[in-house]
Amino acid sequence: QVQLQESGPGLVKPSETLSLTCSVSGGSISSSVHYWSWIRQPPGKGLEWIANIYYDGSSYYNPSLKSRLTVSVDTSKNQFFLKVTSVTAADTAVYYCARRGIASTGTGFDYWGQGILVTVSS
Amino acid sequence: QSALTQPASVSGSPGQSITISCTGTSSDIGGYNFVSWYQQHPGKTPKLIIYDVNNRPSGVSNRFSGSKSGNTASLTISGLQAEDEADYYCTSYTSYSTVLFGGGTKLAVL
Repeated sequence: QVQLQESGPGLVKPSETLSLTCSVSGGSISSSVHYWSWIRQPPGKGLEWIANIYYDGSSYYNPSLKSRLTVSVDTSKNQFFLKVTSVTAADTAVYYCARRGIASTGTGFDYWGQGILVTVSS
Repeated sequence: QSALTQPASVSGSPGQSITISCTGTSSDIGGYNFVSWYQQHPGKTPKLIIYDVNNRPSGVSNRFSGSKSGNTASLTISGLQAEDEADYYCTSYTSYSTVLFGGGTKLAVL
């Protein structure tokens, strides 16, 4: 059973950088048939896709956030990462990491982390 | 890129069927069979219930079904049960190699 777990600070100051880690267990992040994704949900609002990353480091970003985003992967640690720079209160959200299949395996987000609430406040 | 369009809310009585629509463009829903649907109960993690338009993951009730016509995808829940009361989100792959979510639909089982 694949499990994902987000970790990182729950409080970030405005204008600083939000950094999160997703640790994957029960499966390899080097899978050639999965992407690894970040998704967020502001309190009381809907889901927003942030980015996908493949085990080889190729990545795809939400255009509305792209200028502030960096995603990366460490296959040796079975982890992937999210950085969002210059955060504002609008970045306050529950951040989820998730696994997404490629076309041949089904393209849904089939496994999710429990989510981590990140609040941007001074 | 704009979010996919879903109705804000739908409702139905136990035993009835309801359908939730998800409208996009030819650059997303209309161009690919990569639409998926998620169920989210309050305070819980989203759960995949339909992938690639009309496929159910193992363990998901066959009361959930999906379809697509043109730029609009649909989720149908038959034999409504109280436990189906939740928020439902659609997603689609896009021609920009990105993923779009719908705004979400709150289902009330009256």
